[in-house]
Amino acid sequence: KAGVTQTPRYLIKTRGQQVTLSCSPISGHRSVSWYQQTPGQGLQFLFEYFSETQRNKGNFPGRFSGRQFSNSRSEMNVSTLELGDSALYLCASSQVPDVGEQFFGPGTRLTVL
Amino acid sequence: AQSVTQPDIHITVSEGASLELRCNYSYGATPYLFWYVQSPGQGLQLLLKYFSGDTLVQGIKGFEAEFKRSQSSFNLRKPSVHWSDAAEYFCAVGGGSQGNLIFGKGTKLSVKP
Repeated sequence: KAGVTQTPRYLIKTRGQQVTLSCSPISGHRSVSWYQQTPGQGLQFLFEYFSETQRNKGNFPGRFSGRQFSNSRSEMNVSTLELGDSALYLCASSQVPDVGEQFFGPGTRLTVL
Repeated sequence: AQSVTQPDIHITVSEGASLELRCNYSYGATPYLFWYVQSPGQGLQLLLKYFSGDTLVQGIKGFEAEFKRSQSSFNLRKPSVHWSDAAEYFCAVGGGSQGNLIFGKGTKLSVKP
């Protein structure tokens, strides 16, 4: 069974631009969560989607948004990029929420110049 | 507030020596507890998890962890470290109605030959 895939793996953008990251969960998994990883703040939860609905959201500004499609694939979008948005963005999938066991993708490394 | 503390930022052990990585948590309900490992530039790989039952759990790569409710701890151990174990290790808590994971800041493990 294929793991969680994330595209693109690397991305370079400039301040003010917007970016869309994609995540395909493990087949059969219906819950997708997104995390931001930075050296200073560590791993921080962004949001969680299940059945195309956002169930939970972390403490991030409205510039960060996401969505989930009917095939469970998910995208996250960051508008008006800031230098501080440079991070590794990790997607995780699980069969259903509330179980806790999440499987992570390799991440998308976003660099904002 | 829910939180995870990993007191050791960086640990160096000799190959073949035993290892213990510390993790303390604060969580309102009975927690689901996890240890993940991350190699440079990679996503997170689940080492082991505790949901309920036996407080000593076995994981992959020869790792084990013990849940101690009275100490709010979930320490990771390995009897004999291999050079390939050098990586960053993250303790996490979550589950139940809160689908997202809360991570500690991580412990970077270096292995001396």
